[in-house]
Amino acid sequence: EDQVTQSPEALRLQEGESSSLNCSYTVSGLRGLFWYRQDPGKGPEFLFTLYSAGEEKEKERLKATLTKKESFLHITAPKPEDSATYLCAVQGGDYKLSFGAGTTVTVRA
Amino acid sequence: DVKVTQSSRYLVKRTGEKVFLECVQDMDHENMFWYRQDPGLGLRLIYFSYDVKMKEKGDIPEGYSVSREKKERFSLILESASTNQTSMYLCASSRLGNTEAFFGQGTRLTVV
Repeated sequence: EDQVTQSPEALRLQEGESSSLNCSYTVSGLRGLFWYRQDPGKGPEFLFTLYSAGEEKEKERLKATLTKKESFLHITAPKPEDSATYLCAVQGGDYKLSFGAGTTVTVRA
Repeated sequence: DVKVTQSSRYLVKRTGEKVFLECVQDMDHENMFWYRQDPGLGLRLIYFSYDVKMKEKGDIPEGYSVSREKKERFSLILESASTNQTSMYLCASSRLGNTEAFFGQGTRLTVV
């Protein structure tokens, strides 16, 4: 069974204080690793897809990287509007999409 | 933009009722998914479908069934609602293959 573990569960940052979120996974035949952002009371919003080890993707203050066992989401100089829960998901050989429990990020002004 | 629409944002149902949650997507996606989301547990896959009339069990299918009679519509059915099915339910769709899924806004179901 595919497993996705995210750490930490919660992260409190001061505005401008860069940090990283971790997503470790075990999956049979990785087809893709996905990062989503979720605001309270809303559905997850797609951020990035990573397909192979060594790949990196960037969007504004966010950068996602992938190794064979884990992915990192780096938040550079965060702003209060970056406060959200960040979800990691993997898609294995059976095309099922399995999610981690998420990291809730709070950025204080 | 992809749009995934869930029929209700909030629902309150009584124990033992049969409950239907409807989801419609407008991008001709082959795959559709139903998840439930609970604090500390993340999103757990209930069922998914990769084609009309096709369905696959996810990780927690017990107490649920699904129906996909048309490509754009995927329904989740709670045969006899119970209080432990109180949760946020999320529908998603994606193209066939290893592509990103797009989510609806969620239905918060309370079973009393």
